[in-house]
Amino acid sequence: RKEVEQDPGPFNVPEGATVAFNCTYSNSASQSFFWYRQDCRKEPKLLMSVYSSGNEDGRFTAQLNRASQYISLLIRDSKLSDSATYLCVVNKSGGSYIPTFGRGTSLIVHP
Amino acid sequence: DAGVIQSPRHEVTEMGQEVTLRCKPISGHDYLFWYRQTMMRGLELLIYFNNNVPIDDSGMPEDRFSAKMPNASFSTLKIQPSEPRDSAVYFCASSFRGLGANVLTFGAGSRLTVL
Repeated sequence: RKEVEQDPGPFNVPEGATVAFNCTYSNSASQSFFWYRQDCRKEPKLLMSVYSSGNEDGRFTAQLNRASQYISLLIRDSKLSDSATYLCVVNKSGGSYIPTFGRGTSLIVHP
Repeated sequence: DAGVIQSPRHEVTEMGQEVTLRCKPISGHDYLFWYRQTMMRGLELLIYFNNNVPIDDSGMPEDRFSAKMPNASFSTLKIQPSEPRDSAVYFCASSFRGLGANVLTFGAGSRLTVL
């Protein structure tokens, strides 16, 4: 099993739709979790951290489910500008600082 | 701050040639990472440094790859000799542990094509 797994997509949704991505991780001792966004031919950029209690940033909501070892990202009221690849990041092992990236989930928002 | 600076942005070379990629991290950051990204394998961690010291190089593909960080403001990734399968985008990223683990700032990347 890969350390961090994501559905590559693409998720093709109309503007205004709500879309959700999941990311599963294999190491139950992982401590920190993040979502990054990567636009085509650009570098990844931090979108948001994922906290145990769940957290929200505008239209974006991130949640962590430790029992099932997955994190999720929910995007409400999708915009054309949300089209990008969303990368899940998990630290490599409990307490370790090594970030491991998933392959990413591609989102295409169309008019 | 200008962010993480990488050079060159694009490099086209022939098989067998030496390639040197350069990175200037954000001032004050104590971690530096080198990643490689391809369509097939996604983002792979090659090596990372803490306070200029290499901590984990288990992701370096083979002896043809080497990385150095002679000081806090400069790192290089060298491939010698290069092969077509090394074609990828190489990203450098830096972070400051004090602000929270894994919050990486990436450079714009160096796109390498080996013919």
